[in-house]
Amino acid sequence: AQKVTQAQTEISVVEKEDVTLDCVYETRDTTYYLFWYKQPPSGELVFLIRRNSFDEQNEISGRYSWNFQKSTSSFNFTITASQVVDSAVYFCALSEAQPGGYQKVTFGIGTKLQVIP
Amino acid sequence: DAGVTQSPTHLIKTRGQQVTLRCSPKSGHDTVSWYQQALGQGPQFIFQYYEEEERQRGNFPDRFSGHQFPNYSSELNVNALLLGDSALYLCASSLVRSSYNSPLHFGNGTRLTVT
Repeated sequence: AQKVTQAQTEISVVEKEDVTLDCVYETRDTTYYLFWYKQPPSGELVFLIRRNSFDEQNEISGRYSWNFQKSTSSFNFTITASQVVDSAVYFCALSEAQPGGYQKVTFGIGTKLQVIP
Repeated sequence: DAGVTQSPTHLIKTRGQQVTLRCSPKSGHDTVSWYQQALGQGPQFIFQYYEEEERQRGNFPDRFSGHQFPNYSSELNVNALLLGDSALYLCASSLVRSSYNSPLHFGNGTRLTVT
């Protein structure tokens, strides 16, 4: 069974601080995908990044960076120089192939990030 | 390029009633998934539709049913509503040929309150 753990339920930082959101996953599959989504107060989940299980290269996109470590089953997300607009709930998610090739995504509980001006 | 649209945005129902939620997928997408997100929780997978058939289902009772139409839009029906069904219901669309590596595109959700 697949499982995603986000141990930090709420984090508060002051604007311009760096913050790291942790994600630990469990899966029996060797092939899977990991995602991060952002959910602002409007409710819509917005896709941020996708990483497959064979690609452990870290990725940087502007102020965002992701660290994938298969050895520790972790896929952590860092925001550098946080801004008030980063305030949202962030979800880590795991996708495994299902019979027939369909998709079933398991989400973590989410980390609510508050950036204080 | 229209994204995922859901209706209604808010709904208030009484215990025991039935409700229907609607979703139109992103243009070009053929697969619709439904998720339930209780307050303070992550989205929980309900089921997924492709070619008008339910292809996968999460741990939800038979009171939750769905339908997909030839134009790929979808409905989620919940019968005999319980207080615990109060949640944000999210619709997500994707392309089946992209399989499980495809990011989901979500709508803004329908906030259902059961009193």
